[in-house]
Amino acid sequence: GDSVTQMEGPVTLSEEAFLTINCTYTATGYPSLFWYVQYPGEGLQLLLKATKADDKGSNKGFEATYRKETTSFHLEKGSVQVSDSAVYFCALSDPYSSASKIIFGSGTRLSIRP
Amino acid sequence: DTGVSQNPRHKITKRGQNVTFRCDPISEHNRLYWYRQTLGQGPEFLTYFQNEAQLEKSRLLSDRFSAERPKGSFSTLEIQRTEQGDSAMYLCASQTTSGREQFFGPGTRLTVL
Repeated sequence: GDSVTQMEGPVTLSEEAFLTINCTYTATGYPSLFWYVQYPGEGLQLLLKATKADDKGSNKGFEATYRKETTSFHLEKGSVQVSDSAVYFCALSDPYSSASKIIFGSGTRLSIRP
Repeated sequence: DTGVSQNPRHKITKRGQNVTFRCDPISEHNRLYWYRQTLGQGPEFLTYFQNEAQLEKSRLLSDRFSAERPKGSFSTLEIQRTEQGDSAMYLCASQTTSGREQFFGPGTRLTVL
């Protein structure tokens, strides 16, 4: 079945460092890809999404490009801030299935030092 | 803000007791999903409703679990005879039929002692 594999954490960086969190997926069709973020004590929020190959999703300085040839959707940010400390989930959804349920990776905890 | 709401936010119960959680989706979102998130893992799909019809259930949803959405608006998730392994965060999400984004509630954290 469809699945998502993402970089294990925790990841600890200094403020203003460059961030990459790797994510690869396995899917039989053409899934939509997402990054969700979970801040401490809060619910899941959609960070960005891409719905077809070569699309780039971006939000709040984060970017990810849908790479069909490598089945990847890596999350990047050029300069992280302390406020970016959270757990990040890579996820996919098959928009053509009846349920369109989301399949999540196991999450990567990111901590940013001042 | 009329996002997805869930009640209660926290529930502590003893093994063997029944518990019920409620989810109120965003108005006019006809799809409603339940997920379970255990510590250190990503959310896992449990079940989903299209209006009042429950259309898919995961194998994770044992016969002790039941979900309803009687009028196509709010939904309840009941766990009977709770076990310690049921301790988790239960998340609800809603979506329009044509939309690709699911909007998540804050979750109900269940602790079974």
